[in-house]
Amino acid sequence: SQQGEEDPQALSIQEGENATMNCSYKTSINNLQWYRQNSGRGLVHLILIRSNEREKHSGRLRVTLDTSKKSSSLLITASRAADTASYFCATDASGGSYIPTFGRGTSLIVHP
Amino acid sequence: DAGITQSPRYKITETGRQVTLMCHQTWSHSYMFWYRQDLGHGLRLIYYSAAADITDKGEVPDGYVVSRSKTENFPLTLESATRSQTSVYFCASSESGSVSPLHFGNGTRLTVT
Repeated sequence: SQQGEEDPQALSIQEGENATMNCSYKTSINNLQWYRQNSGRGLVHLILIRSNEREKHSGRLRVTLDTSKKSSSLLITASRAADTASYFCATDASGGSYIPTFGRGTSLIVHP
Repeated sequence: DAGITQSPRYKITETGRQVTLMCHQTWSHSYMFWYRQDLGHGLRLIYYSAAADITDKGEVPDGYVVSRSKTENFPLTLESATRSQTSVYFCASSESGSVSPLHFGNGTRLTVT
């Protein structure tokens, strides 16, 4: 079964607004990653956050991790039409497993 | 060019035929993965490999076979294709499993008629 699940399934916003997506997972993890997928293409890595980290930034992206709640969030600030894509979280399972499994993704549409 | 390439990009085959999807990476990454992507299911792990000659099952391995005789190649074979295997297949590689980023190919869209 899939370890992580993204929420919401779909998100529609206007350019300039912030977009927040969440990922919840079932069992303890070593690492959590976020990916973006443009239509018809492979996934592209955005950010990796380790279980002992609480927050990471990359440009307009901010990822938080709350291991007590088994959840992560991806915030895209000042969104652009080019941010339109599907976003996925990938989690492993602690205890020696370093194999990432993906959720179903959040489909983000940013209207110009 | 460095990267990960999948071939073919598109494939149509008939039920019962054997099909092999190819994946080649130029980074010498230890880990390689095969995922399938279906509407409503996201990406599901089929098989993975931690090194040459080491492979292991993922979430949905039934009906698939993999091999990894060389570090750079990780072919996926559907021994007797079924309609339920119609999907988009993605290959990925990483240095150290989930400890490092995965690099994805552009996928193979497979249709089984």
